[in-house]
Amino acid sequence: DAKTTQPNSMESNEEEPVHLPCNHSTISGTDYIHWYRQLPSQGPEYVIHGLTSNVNNRMASLAIAEDRKSSTLILHRATLRDAAVYYCILNFSSNTGKLIFGQGTTLQVKP
Amino acid sequence: NAGVTQTPKFRVLKTGQSMTLLCAQDMNHEYMYWYRQDPGMGLRLIHYSVGEGTTAKGEVPDGYNVSRLKKQNFLLGLESAAPSQTSVYFCASSPMGGTIDNEQFFGPGTRLTVL
Repeated sequence: DAKTTQPNSMESNEEEPVHLPCNHSTISGTDYIHWYRQLPSQGPEYVIHGLTSNVNNRMASLAIAEDRKSSTLILHRATLRDAAVYYCILNFSSNTGKLIFGQGTTLQVKP
Repeated sequence: NAGVTQTPKFRVLKTGQSMTLLCAQDMNHEYMYWYRQDPGMGLRLIHYSVGEGTTAKGEVPDGYNVSRLKKQNFLLGLESAAPSQTSVYFCASSPMGGTIDNEQFFGPGTRLTVL
């Protein structure tokens, strides 16, 4: 399974944009890039996913490099509620849907 | 919709005791998963199911058994609990396992301590 590399932690100020990077240099052509986040004492929740093109939804944007070896999750205006662990996961093309979690990036948001 | 629910929320066991964790989902999802999360770590997949009556091993299946007798329920069993199984257990479900629709919905977790 292809692996991802994320910084252990990042800090942001409230109401400022946040760019969370993820490296996945061994990604294959059919791997989807998924992002989940885990708020304190809660189960993970889905944020966004994409294959090649940049993606936007109500929670965030996902920017995918042209060579697909890296991606960036963008939170446009961080709030205190966005403080969480963010996981970048490669979902290989299969019919099992297994997610392989790494250690993720702990995002701190300062008021 | 209640989504994904887990029973119990907390449990303390003694070494060698057995227990079953129940996961229920009301979204008519085909796929269900059991994960464990140790302090400061990401989630690790224990077992999963791609449909009623089917189960498969994940990354860390040893010491656990599962059953999916009904589509909406996925049970995780510990036959003889060990301190190494102290963890937070999360259940998840997904409409299907294919990449496009593979948003997994997670339950609130069960915190298990084995003394």
